[in-house]
Amino acid sequence: EVVLTQSPATLAVSPGESVTLSCRASQPVSSDLAWYQQRPGQAPRLLIIAASTTAATVPARFRGSGSGTDFTLTINGLQSEDFALYFCQQYNKGPRTFGQGTKVEIK
Amino acid sequence: EQLQESGPRLVKPSETLSLVCSVSGGTVNSYYWSWLRQPPGKGLEWIGYFYNSGNSRYSTNYNSSLKSRVTISVDPSKNEFSLRLTSVTAADTAVYYCARDLSFGGGERWFDPWGQGTQVTVSS
Repeated sequence: EVVLTQSPATLAVSPGESVTLSCRASQPVSSDLAWYQQRPGQAPRLLIIAASTTAATVPARFRGSGSGTDFTLTINGLQSEDFALYFCQQYNKGPRTFGQGTKVEIK
Repeated sequence: EQLQESGPRLVKPSETLSLVCSVSGGTVNSYYWSWLRQPPGKGLEWIGYFYNSGNSRYSTNYNSSLKSRVTISVDPSKNEFSLRLTSVTAADTAVYYCARDLSFGGGERWFDPWGQGTQVTVSS
């Protein structure tokens, strides 16, 4: 199965800063990658599909990019509600698999 | 749409884990619907899905790693679906989620929306 490795595991940043999260696949998955946000105690929320398409109601400060094996999620101008866990998911090869996540916390 | 998981939080080893996902604001007769889980300290794992294949019939697909122990069933009259996982061990301790699965006949896709998840612990 495809292994997704996210880095870093934790990222401490100040509000207003920008961050870039990485997701690397163990084999090419084309652009078949999604990103999710999970705030503590809440359901995961879909952010990005097809590596770079923002889901409905997701603010424009979230941007996804990449294809093949290397993907990034950039959050520009972090707001208080953006401090959360972020994980990626590939749907190119079955079974669908997920990364272990990157926690974005307040510095 | 909103999804809500329910069921026992504690299950004894070798017994059967049973969870229910209640769907509101939509119907289980449309789309695919999945169960997923996240063991402590590990990434999410897709367990399986079902979909309405027509004529009141439902088709399922399971992760091969769990296939021998998993059953997903649906009750359209209650607009809910269930997960049964038999012969559980401590390795089945996880937060279990249900989610609408945006897959279709042309291929598997992403999940949206998700339930909040329910913690299930396997312990005697």
